[in-house]
Amino acid sequence: KAGVTQTPRYLIKTRGQQVTLSCSPISGHRSVSWYQQTPGQGLQFLFEYFSETQRNKGNFPGRFSGRQFSNSRSEMNVSTLELGDSALYLCASSLALAGNEQFFGPGTRLTVL
Amino acid sequence: DQQVKQNSPSLSVQEGRISILNCDYTNSMFDYFLWYKKYPAEGPTFLISISSIKDKNEDGRFTVFLNKSAKHLSLHIVPSQPGDSAVYFCAASSPGTYKYIFGTGTRLKVLA
Repeated sequence: KAGVTQTPRYLIKTRGQQVTLSCSPISGHRSVSWYQQTPGQGLQFLFEYFSETQRNKGNFPGRFSGRQFSNSRSEMNVSTLELGDSALYLCASSLALAGNEQFFGPGTRLTVL
Repeated sequence: DQQVKQNSPSLSVQEGRISILNCDYTNSMFDYFLWYKKYPAEGPTFLISISSIKDKNEDGRFTVFLNKSAKHLSLHIVPSQPGDSAVYFCAASSPGTYKYIFGTGTRLKVLA
């Protein structure tokens, strides 16, 4: 069974630009969660999607948004990028909403210059 | 405000010895705790979990202990192996919130 895939793996953008990251969950998984990992902050929860609806949201500004498609694939968008948005963005899939076992993708490393 | 804290950013242990990774939390509503292991350039992988109704859960070389009164959990790895060298994250969730709060991670280095 293929794991969680994320594209692109690496991305370099400049301040003010916007970016879209993609996540394909494990086949059959309906929940996709997004996390931001930065040194010193650990993994911080962004949001969770289940059946194309955002079910939970972390404490991030509105510049961070996402969506989920009918095939459970999810995209995350960050608008008006800031230097502090440089991070590893991880998505995780699980069978059910807030499934106890989440499977993480390899992440997208975003660098904002 | 960091609700889940891993106060040791790094830990070195000799191969064959016990590794003890610690995690403290502040939210008494947390009822489910997990440990993840992360290798460089890979996403975190689930290691072991514990529900607040238990105080110990064991899986092979890995044991997680939960002390609810102290709001503290720990992961014991016995015996430690070089392949255990990774960053370990603890995470917690509270009922109904459906989101995990992660600690900042502890980098474990097992010396051969």
